[in-house]
Amino acid sequence: QVQLVQSGAEVKKPGASVKVSCKASGYTFTGYYLHWVRQAPGQGLEWMGWINPNGGATNYAQKFQGRVAMTRDTSISTAYMELSRLTSDDTAVYFCATAGPSIELDHWGQGTLVTVSS
Amino acid sequence: EIELTQSPGSLSLSPGEGATLSCRASQSIISSYLTWYQHKPGQAPRLLIYSASVRAPGIPDRFSGSGSGTDFILTIDRLEPEDFGVYYCQQSDYSLSLTFGGGTTVELK
Repeated sequence: QVQLVQSGAEVKKPGASVKVSCKASGYTFTGYYLHWVRQAPGQGLEWMGWINPNGGATNYAQKFQGRVAMTRDTSISTAYMELSRLTSDDTAVYFCATAGPSIELDHWGQGTLVTVSS
Repeated sequence: EIELTQSPGSLSLSPGEGATLSCRASQSIISSYLTWYQHKPGQAPRLLIYSASVRAPGIPDRFSGSGSGTDFILTIDRLEPEDFGVYYCQQSDYSLSLTFGGGTTVELK
């Protein structure tokens, strides 16, 4: 069965960077785009971007361009999302998710809480 | 960027009642790329409906989706206690950039 296992919670200071990992299993890692979505406390879901594990192409939401980098290591079926210049507004749970052919996010990681605090 | 507006913002209902959730797009969207999720606190979102009307595997038939163009509906027949949570619609454009609606909270009356 498809599983996406994310790295553990992080606490960062303002201005720092955070890198969250998402390890995939149960399917061909390079066969499906991998999206990142976040949810800040009390807020809705916010799409951040995707990476195509087959080749590494990316597409970022305009809001995050210049501040986010999505990468992957196909040898270990793991995707990464790095967000830099963190502020308190980046405090959120970050999710990775695979996308099906209708761009439906069908399998999700468990989420990673990133807290930005001085 | 296409915006999705969900209404109502919240619904207070009893088990056994029905719910109608609306998702309106700021411009016509690709129906094949309109998706609905259920989200509960502390959990990952759960895929319910994709391509506007196709139930995801394992989703009970009390959930149904419809619509096209700019107006889409998620209908929940005969609410069960486990159906309470926040429901989001999501769309993708041709560049595969996604947007989510603001969500509708379905709460227990």
